[in-house]
Amino acid sequence: KQEVTQIPAALSVPEGENLVLNCSFTDSAIYNLQWFRQDPGKGLTSLLLIQSSQREQTSGRLNASLDKSSGRSTLYIAASQPGDSATYLCAVPSGTYKYIFGTGTRLKVLA
Amino acid sequence: DTGVSQNPRHKITKRGQNVTFRCDPISEHNRLYWYRQTLGQGPEFLTYFQNEAQLEKSRLLSDRFSAERPKGSFSTLEIQRTEQGDSAMYLCASTLGAPYGYTFGSGTRLTVV
Repeated sequence: KQEVTQIPAALSVPEGENLVLNCSFTDSAIYNLQWFRQDPGKGLTSLLLIQSSQREQTSGRLNASLDKSSGRSTLYIAASQPGDSATYLCAVPSGTYKYIFGTGTRLKVLA
Repeated sequence: DTGVSQNPRHKITKRGQNVTFRCDPISEHNRLYWYRQTLGQGPEFLTYFQNEAQLEKSRLLSDRFSAERPKGSFSTLEIQRTEQGDSAMYLCASTLGAPYGYTFGSGTRLTVV
């Protein structure tokens, strides 16, 4: 049974810091992994989708890495801004067609 | 195409009433998912459609819950005899298939009073 853990649960940093969010999963037989952002009371916005054949994906100040063998993914946010404040969720496949989510990391970037 | 659309955005209902939510997926996406999210938790899988066929239902989906996707287009999620424990964000997602990841809608926030 796939289980997903995200550490830390919450993070508060001053503006401009580089930061790393962690996601670990128990079943390494995954075909991809997706990172999402969620603002309070809103739906999920896809940030990055990493296929199992890839090790990294980049979008602007965001970089996600995937190490299937160790069951880990990291989301790196460079030069954080107050607008980055949100909850970040990772999702991994369980079986062939559905995703299992972690509980998220709640990020606050202070101006 | 404007993405996945969910209506209503918010619903407040009295305990015992029935509610229905609607999800319009991205038009070419044949796979549609419903998730439920409570405060401080990640989304939990409820059910999955491929075209009009409902292929899996979570044990979270009690007999009071029913979902449909007629003609493989929009989907509805109905909750009968609502309970306070049903208060949550109900999220809909769609995809073309496994390699493409999910696209989520904005969700429907249900409050049962």
